[in-house]
Amino acid sequence: KAGVTQTPRYLIKTRGQQVTLSCSPISGHRSVSWYQQTPGQGLQFLFEYFSETQRNKGNFPGRFSGRQFSNSRSEMNVSTLELGDSALYLCASSARTGGYNEQFFGPGTRLTVL
Amino acid sequence: AQSVTQLDSQVPVFEEAPVELRCNYSSSVSVYLFWYVQYPNQGLQLLLKYLSGSTLVKGINGFEAEFNKSQTSFHLRKPSVHISDTAEYFCAVSPNAGGTSYGKLTFGQGTILTVHP
Repeated sequence: KAGVTQTPRYLIKTRGQQVTLSCSPISGHRSVSWYQQTPGQGLQFLFEYFSETQRNKGNFPGRFSGRQFSNSRSEMNVSTLELGDSALYLCASSARTGGYNEQFFGPGTRLTVL
Repeated sequence: AQSVTQLDSQVPVFEEAPVELRCNYSSSVSVYLFWYVQYPNQGLQLLLKYLSGSTLVKGINGFEAEFNKSQTSFHLRKPSVHISDTAEYFCAVSPNAGGTSYGKLTFGQGTILTVHP
């Protein structure tokens, strides 16, 4: 079974631009969560999508948005990029059935904002 | 709301020595507890988890952790480390909402374990 894939793996943008990151979950998984990892703030939850609906949201500004498609693939968008948005963005997928569902992480997209 | 505190940002240790990485948490609701490992330029891999039942849980690569409800701690241990255990380790919690876990993990700041020969 293929793991979680994220594209692109590396990205360089300049301040003010916008960026879209993609996450393909494990086949059969319907939940995708996004996390931002920075040296200063650590790992922070951005949002979770399940059945094309945002189910949970972290404490990030409205510049950070996402969506999920009918095939469970998810995209994350950051508009008006700031230097502080430079980070590793991780997505995780899970089955989100009843009871405990393990989250499986992708390798991440390394975003650098210049 | 939940919060997680990892008490050591860096832990150096010699090969074959025992190691303990400390984690305390705070939550107003019942939670599941996890330890993840991250190798350089990679995503997170689940080491072990506590859902319920026995407070001593065993995971992959010889790691184990003990859940202590009264002290709200979930410390990770390994009796004998290897060079290959060098990595960053994260303690995390997620709300246990009536037995259904949701896709929101709250992480600690991480502990860098460095194993020296």
